[in-house]
Amino acid sequence: SQKIEQNSEALNIQEGKTATLTCNYTNYSPAYLQWYRQDPGRGPVFLLLIRENEKEKRKERLKVTFDTTLKQSLFHITASQPADSATYLCALEGSLLWSNTGKLIFGQGTTLQVKP
Amino acid sequence: EAGVTQFPSHSVIEKGQTVTLRCDPISGHDNLYWYRRVMGKEIKFLLHFVKESKQDESGMPNNRFLAERTGGTYSTLKVQPAELEDSGVYFCASSLGGQIYFGPGTRLTVT
Repeated sequence: SQKIEQNSEALNIQEGKTATLTCNYTNYSPAYLQWYRQDPGRGPVFLLLIRENEKEKRKERLKVTFDTTLKQSLFHITASQPADSATYLCALEGSLLWSNTGKLIFGQGTTLQVKP
Repeated sequence: EAGVTQFPSHSVIEKGQTVTLRCDPISGHDNLYWYRRVMGKEIKFLLHFVKESKQDESGMPNNRFLAERTGGTYSTLKVQPAELEDSGVYFCASSLGGQIYFGPGTRLTVT
């Protein structure tokens, strides 16, 4: 069956360090992979999208990699700050047949805690 | 510009009752989605409207759930009758076809 796995345990790091979050998937051939941030009591907020033919995407302190052979995406936050503390969700947009439909398949999310 | 809004923010009802959740998408967004997160699980897709038409309702759990989007603006999601397993957070989202914007969610508690 189709499955997306993110580290279920919270990730605790020190301010200034790089946080690395992992998203693994099986039995998918996604056209896109997206990362979202979710704060308590709020909806997910879009951060980055990476396409299947892209290896890496950057946006300010954020970097996403996408390895379709390993079926894995890594999400990095460099120079982390306490304000980066949140839950980060990985989401796939199905297959090419579903591309750009908005039908996202989410992982459970990883909670990041950045300590000052 | 206002974001996606949802009402109510929290609803507590008894099993067997009816609840209607409302979503107001970002103005001009033709695409409207409903998702939900039940306790301990990941956020799951329920359905997708394009304007007033249901494009994909493959995620709707059963016929106790009815979604409407009359006029292609706001949408409602009715649960009738509610069951205990319907408890969770219901998110609405909208888009023009690219980036998806989520609302804050409605927390539904069925007792």
